[in-house]
Amino acid sequence: DAGVIQSPRHEVTEMGQEVTLRCKPISGHNSLFWYRQTMMRGLELLIYFNNNVPIDDSGMPEDRFSAKMPNASFSTLKIQPSEPRDSAVYFCASSPTLSNQPQHFGDGTRLSIL
Amino acid sequence: GENVEQHPSTLSVQEGDSAVIKCTYSDSASNYFPWYKQELGKGPQLIIDIRSNVGEKKDQRIAVTLNKTAKHFSLHITETQPEDSAVYFCAASGGNTPLVFGKGTRLSVIA
Repeated sequence: DAGVIQSPRHEVTEMGQEVTLRCKPISGHNSLFWYRQTMMRGLELLIYFNNNVPIDDSGMPEDRFSAKMPNASFSTLKIQPSEPRDSAVYFCASSPTLSNQPQHFGDGTRLSIL
Repeated sequence: GENVEQHPSTLSVQEGDSAVIKCTYSDSASNYFPWYKQELGKGPQLIIDIRSNVGEKKDQRIAVTLNKTAKHFSLHITETQPEDSAVYFCAASGGNTPLVFGKGTRLSVIA
């Protein structure tokens, strides 16, 4: 079975550029989560969706960050404009339900902003 | 909201010894407790989970215990091997809220 698929795996870009990270959740999963992982802050929950609807975006650090889920099989996390402090590994995870079920993680996008 | 504390942050053990990682949670409504293993360059992967109606669960060399009264749960790895070296995360969830993760434990198994 295909797991959560994220693209690209690595992204290097200059500050000020727009960055778009992509995620394909596991088919049949109704909830999708975006995380950011850094050495300093650990694993941070940025935003999550249930049935394609954003439920809580209180973890999004700034207005430069936005996320969409246009359909059940695709989500994007966009940073515009990007800054060096946005450098991190970004993970997408999906789950059958919002709670009380395991989340299944993709292998992440390693983002470097120069 | 839920708060999950995880200890220790780093743990070194000799190959063949046991490793124990402990977590506490704050929300008594939490009833689902998974553990994840994250290897270098990969996303966290579920290794075992436990629900609040069970006190202990075992899967080969891995076991998890839950004490709902004290609001703590632990991961036990026996007969550790070098391939057990990774970062381990505990998490808790209950009601209609998603998983809240601990800050992770970096386990090093020394051959």
